[in-house]
Amino acid sequence: EVQLVESGGGLVKPGGSLRLSCAASGFTFSSYTMNWVRQAPGKGLEWVSSISFSSSYIYYADSVKGRFTISRDNAKNSLYLQMNSLRAEDTAVYYCARCAYGDYVFDYWGHGTLVTVSS
Amino acid sequence: DIQMTQSPSTLSASVGDRVTVTCRASQTISSSLAWYQQKPGKAPNLLIYKASSLESGVPSRFSGSGSGTEFTLTISSLQPDDFATYYCQQYNSSPFTFGQGTKLEIK
Repeated sequence: EVQLVESGGGLVKPGGSLRLSCAASGFTFSSYTMNWVRQAPGKGLEWVSSISFSSSYIYYADSVKGRFTISRDNAKNSLYLQMNSLRAEDTAVYYCARCAYGDYVFDYWGHGTLVTVSS
Repeated sequence: DIQMTQSPSTLSASVGDRVTVTCRASQTISSSLAWYQQKPGKAPNLLIYKASSLESGVPSRFSGSGSGTEFTLTISSLQPDDFATYYCQQYNSSPFTFGQGTKLEIK
């Protein structure tokens, strides 16, 4: 069974940093492009970042470019999101999601981890 | 960036109704369009990909159509479990943008 479990969320002050993790199991993690997608409270879905299976291709939304860094450790079946210079507008549930069908379609999602940026 | 616009934003319907949600892209995206269902407090669930391909395990009452810039999600006969929020998403090019969502409510 495919499982994605996020961790690392919490309360952080504006300008602070946080590192999210996503532990994957039930599939060959090293063969899949992975993503972070977020959802602000009461709002819609926003794609944040993607990383290819070998980390060769990395993409970011303009809203996080230069502040967030996506990475992965295939030996540990883990995906990460390093978030720096956090702003109030980064407050959201952050989901880890797997790409499907060789494209940026998200077939499995984690349960999400809440990041709250507030003083 | 490609903007995705869904209509309506809210839809009230009854069990057994046939409902359609529309998604328009600001530029052509071929058939690179997915639909997701999300229930409160839960992660989204993939329903349709490549505009009209049904994801494994998704009931056949869900269907998708369209190409280019206009797409539709149709539920042929609403069931109580279908009341949720639906999102379209384009994956033709980065950034991979979502529509603003359509909330399907019980009439």
